[in-house]
Amino acid sequence: SYVLTQPPSVSVAPGKTARITCGGYNIGSKSVHWYQQKPGQAPVLVIYDGDDRPSGIPERFSGSNSGNTATLIISRVEAGDEADYYCQVWDSSSDHWVFGGGTRLTVL
Amino acid sequence: EVQLVESGGVLVKPGGSLRLSCAASGFTFSTYHMNWVRQAPGKGLEWVSSISSSSYIYYADSVTGRFTISRDSARDSLYLKMNSLRAEDTAVYYCVRGGGNIPMDVWGQGTTVTVSS
Repeated sequence: SYVLTQPPSVSVAPGKTARITCGGYNIGSKSVHWYQQKPGQAPVLVIYDGDDRPSGIPERFSGSNSGNTATLIISRVEAGDEADYYCQVWDSSSDHWVFGGGTRLTVL
Repeated sequence: EVQLVESGGVLVKPGGSLRLSCAASGFTFSTYHMNWVRQAPGKGLEWVSSISSSSYIYYADSVTGRFTISRDSARDSLYLKMNSLRAEDTAVYYCVRGGGNIPMDVWGQGTTVTVSS
């Protein structure tokens, strides 16, 4: 089955850029979606199809996807960005949605 | 306003059964793929099951043969029938819109299922 690998945690100072990676075999050929989940809340879609933002998501959120790694990029990080972030793809070989294990972003 | 509201989560004994419901509003329910995603306490997101707008159905390996997803477009509702429940099925269950060419863009607030004796 297809596996997505994320670092358990990433720390960044306010105003800096956070990069959260999502590794998977040939993930560059897939549409990658990213979700933000704050404590006690449902997840929120922040990036879809690798680098598109839903309405209402700040431009500070962007994404890239190539080769075996997709990356969520958060520029000018704010305290309010502290959350868990999950990547996701559709694995057409198994007809399964797959989530990464999640990355906790800590704003120092 | 686009909204998904889950219900039906309770405390149930191992081996028991349960049906979760999700009421959709604010969009044309029949035209969207729908999903159930769960999150065990302190753990990450786990996809459970999906049903397309034309009722193609998919299940995670962990629930195949025990859970059944269904939808009723006349009632704008999504369901998850859960049989042979195990302790590891304990989780918050989210009803989620999306699939096909659409990401999971709308999530309900979740309903909690606890499997314990």
